[in-house]
Amino acid sequence: GAVVSQHPSRVICKSGTSVKIECRSLDFQATTMFWYRQFPKKSLMLMATSNEGSKATYEQGVEKDKFLINHASLTLSTLTVTSAHPEDSSFYICSAGASGRYPYEQYFGPGTRLTVT
Amino acid sequence: QKEVEQNSGPLSVPEGAIASLNCTYSDRGSQSFFWYRQYSGKSPELIMSIYSNGDKEDGRFTAQLNKASQYVSLLIRDSQPSDSATYLCAVNSFTGGGNKLTFGTGTQLKVEL
Repeated sequence: GAVVSQHPSRVICKSGTSVKIECRSLDFQATTMFWYRQFPKKSLMLMATSNEGSKATYEQGVEKDKFLINHASLTLSTLTVTSAHPEDSSFYICSAGASGRYPYEQYFGPGTRLTVT
Repeated sequence: QKEVEQNSGPLSVPEGAIASLNCTYSDRGSQSFFWYRQYSGKSPELIMSIYSNGDKEDGRFTAQLNKASQYVSLLIRDSQPSDSATYLCAVNSFTGGGNKLTFGTGTQLKVEL
């Protein structure tokens, strides 16, 4: 149980284009989903928290207009990187938490490696 | 600023030995604590959660929590080369935006043959 999928696993895009990343909880309903980014040899940095049906809460310093998050259902959240630039190249990882499971456990998707050329 | 501190390592142990990983945290109000394992190039995998003071064992893993000292540890018995990874300590905190995990920078573990 507690399987989270993420798609695509790897994407290369040109500077100025937008990229959408999907995160799905496969065997449970995710009341809350989280989006992280991780630079090489660095720890996870929380970008935003989203609850199903409401606006995402962004961490300080994260541009909400650049990183659009939608959590339309209890099993799907999407992150869109708009007008991507090379500095947005990173490993993006989603996680999901569920009510009814042990409090505050988060289960991570396999991640999406974004390269902006 | 809520902080979670870990020694970055690398921590090298011989195969079959006990690996001891440590973590301290600053938020006294934290109630939930987690250990994640992350292999290079992969996403984190939850291996242990602990909520009460004392020890919690699961197979070769034992998590230890001391809230008075704000200290969490993970012991790995009979370490195997496949345990070589970065271990992330995570602590739950409640902010205006809801519950979220704060991660340490991770300790790299190397299990040598």
